[in-house]
Amino acid sequence: AQSVTQLDSHVSVSEGTPVLLRCNYSSSYSPSLFWYVQHPNKGLQLLLKYTSAATLVKGINGFEAEFKKSETSFHLTKPSAHMSDAAEYFCVVSDRGDYKLSFGAGTTVTVRA
Amino acid sequence: DGGITQSPKYLFRKEGQNVTLSCEQNLNHDAMYWYRQDPGQGLRLIYYSQIVNDFQKGDIAEGYSVSREKKESFPLTVTSAQKNPTAFYLCASSIDGQIVNQPQHFGDGTRLSIL
Repeated sequence: AQSVTQLDSHVSVSEGTPVLLRCNYSSSYSPSLFWYVQHPNKGLQLLLKYTSAATLVKGINGFEAEFKKSETSFHLTKPSAHMSDAAEYFCVVSDRGDYKLSFGAGTTVTVRA
Repeated sequence: DGGITQSPKYLFRKEGQNVTLSCEQNLNHDAMYWYRQDPGQGLRLIYYSQIVNDFQKGDIAEGYSVSREKKESFPLTVTSAQKNPTAFYLCASSIDGQIVNQPQHFGDGTRLSIL
């Protein structure tokens, strides 16, 4: 069975500073991992996905994530936060044994001017 | 533009009443999903359908029902048996529900409240 733990429920950063959102996963097989973003009262939008190719994955809006198998982590980063990055972010895992997605509890990002 | 349309955006339910949430997609995707979102709990899977005329229960199916008569439509009924229906409901689709690395595309959700 697969599961995801997002280590921070809330992250606050100043505009122009780096953002780090932490995610650890557990999976019985080789996992596929995703990061999604959700703005208030909206659906989820895919930021990026890892599917066993390059371990450093680049996504939309300047986000990237690094898959570290030894640490079972898939942390999301952005070098410089923008006000429009204020939203909720979900780390998601799917593995070969179960094609359903498992969602983390989410991390709310606040960006200070 | 292709996408997923959920309606209505807001819905109110009286005690003992069944309500139906609409989900339509024009992405030509085979698989569709219904999730429930509660604050601080992420998304939980209610039902999913990998192909027309077939669907399976997810993790929290009790008090809900679905149908999949057409590829583009996957309505969710919240029955009176669901004792705590207040939540944000999200519909999603993916190209093929049996390929693990396929991302899901989401609608903008329906917020259901109890009167």
